[in-house]
Amino acid sequence: DAGVIQSPRHEVTEMGQEVTLRCKPISGHDYLFWYRQTMMRGLELLIYFNNNVPIDDSGMPEDRFSAKMPNASFSTLKIQPSEPRDSAVYFCASSYTSGVFNEKLFFGSGTQLSVL
Amino acid sequence: RKEVEQDPGPFNVPEGATVAFNCTYSNSASQSFFWYRQDCRKEPKLLMSVYSSGNEDGRFTAQLNRASQYISLLIRDSKLSDSATYLCVVKALTGGFKTIFGAGTRLFVKA
Repeated sequence: DAGVIQSPRHEVTEMGQEVTLRCKPISGHDYLFWYRQTMMRGLELLIYFNNNVPIDDSGMPEDRFSAKMPNASFSTLKIQPSEPRDSAVYFCASSYTSGVFNEKLFFGSGTQLSVL
Repeated sequence: RKEVEQDPGPFNVPEGATVAFNCTYSNSASQSFFWYRQDCRKEPKLLMSVYSSGNEDGRFTAQLNRASQYISLLIRDSKLSDSATYLCVVKALTGGFKTIFGAGTRLFVKA
């Protein structure tokens, strides 16, 4: 299995530009999570999906951020317009539910976003 | 107040030392608990789950105290390769399985 695949690995953009981060979860996984990691705030949960449906987006910092999961094999996180304070590593993770248990998270390699 | 709180460290210990990390969580409905490890510039990876009765995996021991909402990780006989950030993770069933990470505790093991 290829694991969770994120693209791009690195993104450098200018303030005000639209940024789209992409994630392909592991096949068969029913949960998908988007996290943002910075030195100051650690790993913050932005939003998560179960069976392609957003369950909790309370971690999305503001309306500039949006996430979609049009099907079981693809999700996007979009920032429009981007700001320098959005600079961080964005991780996507997936997991599956077995009975009443939700198993461990498998993370992608992350997208390092720099907004100048 | 953060949902999951950890001492950020860093902890600087010599090889062979025993080191303990603590973590507290605020959601009393939390159901599952884990420790993840993250190496510099890498993604987090599962180190071990934490069970109510406590559990051990080689040099690593995890403990859970539900009454105090407290989780711990003990590393015995530290190795240079244990240098990493250790993340406390709490999962609660709130509509779905919401998974929250602590900010992590940095460990440096020195020769």
